[in-house]
Amino acid sequence: QQPVQSPQAVILREGEDAVINCSSSKALYSVHWYRQKHGEAPVFLMILLKGGEQMRHEKISASFNEKKQQSSLYLTASQLSYSGTYFCGTEGFSGAGSYQLTFGKGTKLSVIP
Amino acid sequence: GAGVSQSPSNKVTEKGKDVELRCDPISGHTALYWYRQSLGQGLEFLIYFQGNSAPDKSGLPSDRFSAERTGGSVSTLTIQRTQQEDSAVYLCASSLFPRGPNEQFFGPGTRLTVL
Repeated sequence: QQPVQSPQAVILREGEDAVINCSSSKALYSVHWYRQKHGEAPVFLMILLKGGEQMRHEKISASFNEKKQQSSLYLTASQLSYSGTYFCGTEGFSGAGSYQLTFGKGTKLSVIP
Repeated sequence: GAGVSQSPSNKVTEKGKDVELRCDPISGHTALYWYRQSLGQGLEFLIYFQGNSAPDKSGLPSDRFSAERTGGSVSTLTIQRTQQEDSAVYLCASSLFPRGPNEQFFGPGTRLTVL
């Protein structure tokens, strides 16, 4: 099942902070975060593993609450380059006997001067 | 080194025609994935290859869709008798290790428009 991301869109001024949430109704093994700039391919940011530590990518960090099956992406002191659509991918064990990664619909982040 | 490449970058076709989309993964990457991206719908999984076999085809929307991979490298996604709802960007990704918690590298995508 597709994870739910919130908010769907957010506009920030340079230097402001934002949080993007991702929640799933399924038990999760890991959560992946990707960023896609307009007209470009999605680019990997980080993976959070069950039982693992909070991760960072530059000034972007994320947490993973296994019990709540939720992950949050924290963007601190946003820069213009942070603009794009952020996708979370939740990974759980599928009925087909392997891990399956399912992406959310994305959160569009716009950073303005 | 070279990243994932896809061709063509854009494809316009008429309803009812067949199309083939190609993906060249990063050399040495054993896992390959196809996704479809429609406006506002995120990344929809289609099929996963490990080597030349496809252990998970659960995302293919209908039997008009098929894919193959040869030599553990190039993959082709074929859509037969295209419909207007097939219009989307088709993304290919590859990863070094089998499916699991590892980074996927995406190609630039093929934008398919069915008239």
